[in-house]
Amino acid sequence: GDSVTQMEGPVTLSEEAFLTINCTYTATGYPSLFWYVQYPGEGLQLLLKATKADDKGSNKGFEATYRKETTSFHLEKGSVQVSDSAVYFCALGVSGGSYIPTFGRGTSLIVHP
Amino acid sequence: NAGVTQTPKFQVLKTGQSMTLQCAQDMNHNSMYWYRQDPGMGLRLIYYSASEGTTDKGEVPNGYNVSRLNKREFSLRLESAAPSQTSVYFCASSEASLAVYNEQFFGPGTRLTVL
Repeated sequence: GDSVTQMEGPVTLSEEAFLTINCTYTATGYPSLFWYVQYPGEGLQLLLKATKADDKGSNKGFEATYRKETTSFHLEKGSVQVSDSAVYFCALGVSGGSYIPTFGRGTSLIVHP
Repeated sequence: NAGVTQTPKFQVLKTGQSMTLQCAQDMNHNSMYWYRQDPGMGLRLIYYSASEGTTDKGEVPNGYNVSRLNKREFSLRLESAAPSQTSVYFCASSEASLAVYNEQFFGPGTRLTVL
């Protein structure tokens, strides 16, 4: 079956540090890949996505590139802010197959001033 | 657009009580989902509805029932609440497509405590 593995947290950084959160996947078909963010007390919201190999998704300074050869979709940001403190979920879905997406367990990011 | 709305936002129940969590979306999406989120467990799918008129079990359906009332609304019912059902419940929706898998839109959640 499909699976998503992301690094365990919490990840603790100082403001303006570089962020990487690793995400690797296995999928039976050709998946679309997503990063969602969950701020404290809120629901998940889409941060960025990529639907085919070598696509780069970007939003709010975050980026992730769909790497088919390494089955990865790592999230990066050059300079984090305190307001980026949240839980980040990597996910995949395969069109034409199950309606159910596959989520990683989530990575908590804590950014200190 | 309100997106995905959920009611109530908070609820406290006693063991054995019943309740229904309501969810509605105004994006004309075909598919709707109910998840629960517990510390250290990530998101777990309870039930989903691929399209109006269909519902299917997810990973953790025991103790729950669902109704897809129409295209907009998807409710989750706890018939006899247990402390193990203390959790945060999220409703989500998405537009099904054969060409590409689309993202899910999530509601703000219902925080349920069963005493």
